[in-house]
Amino acid sequence: AQSVTQLGSHVSVSEGALVLLRCNYSSSVPPYLFWYVQYPNQGLQLLLKYTSAATLVKGINGFEAEFKKSETSFHLTKPSAHMSDAAEYFCAVSVAGGTSYGKLTFGQGTILTVHP
Amino acid sequence: GAVVSQHPSRVICKSGTSVKIECRSLDFQATTMFWYRQFPKQSLMLMATSNEGSKATYEQGVEKDKFLINHASLTLSTLTVTSAHPEDSSFYICSARQGSNSYGYTFGSGTRLTVV
Repeated sequence: AQSVTQLGSHVSVSEGALVLLRCNYSSSVPPYLFWYVQYPNQGLQLLLKYTSAATLVKGINGFEAEFKKSETSFHLTKPSAHMSDAAEYFCAVSVAGGTSYGKLTFGQGTILTVHP
Repeated sequence: GAVVSQHPSRVICKSGTSVKIECRSLDFQATTMFWYRQFPKQSLMLMATSNEGSKATYEQGVEKDKFLINHASLTLSTLTVTSAHPEDSSFYICSARQGSNSYGYTFGSGTRLTVV
């Protein structure tokens, strides 16, 4: 079975500073990896996803993530934080085969706070 | 892009009554839909996988007689919380998968259920 660990339940940055949200995964088969953002009382919006093509994935709103197989990581970054980036972020993994086929497994989430 | 509509967005019901939540894929056919539950300040937990025209597959620990799932068409899945109790109060989110791959998911906007 696959799993995801997000390091840091809360991250606080200043507006304009680098955003780094950490995600490590565990999977016995090649994974698909995702980052989602959730605003209060709303569903999830896809920021970006890795589907075994390019290891550096660019997403919406200036976010990007790099798949590093050797480190089993898929950290999310943004060069310059905006106030509107304040939200909760979830890393998720799915696999293309096996008993967990098609199921998304989520990390615990990281709340990003952006200070003026 | 793919859109999933979830209704209602918010519902308050009395203990002992049943509540139905709808999840519709608006511009694509979804043979598979997923239902998640999210407690405050926690991650999303998969409740069940719903396949069009067949019985839903429930995750371990989820009561299938309490959470009835129906996926009667390629664009509609419903979750009915039967004989609701205050402990069923939560945020419920559906997701629809485009095609048969493991990386094309679109989420609904969620339903906040409060049982009083």
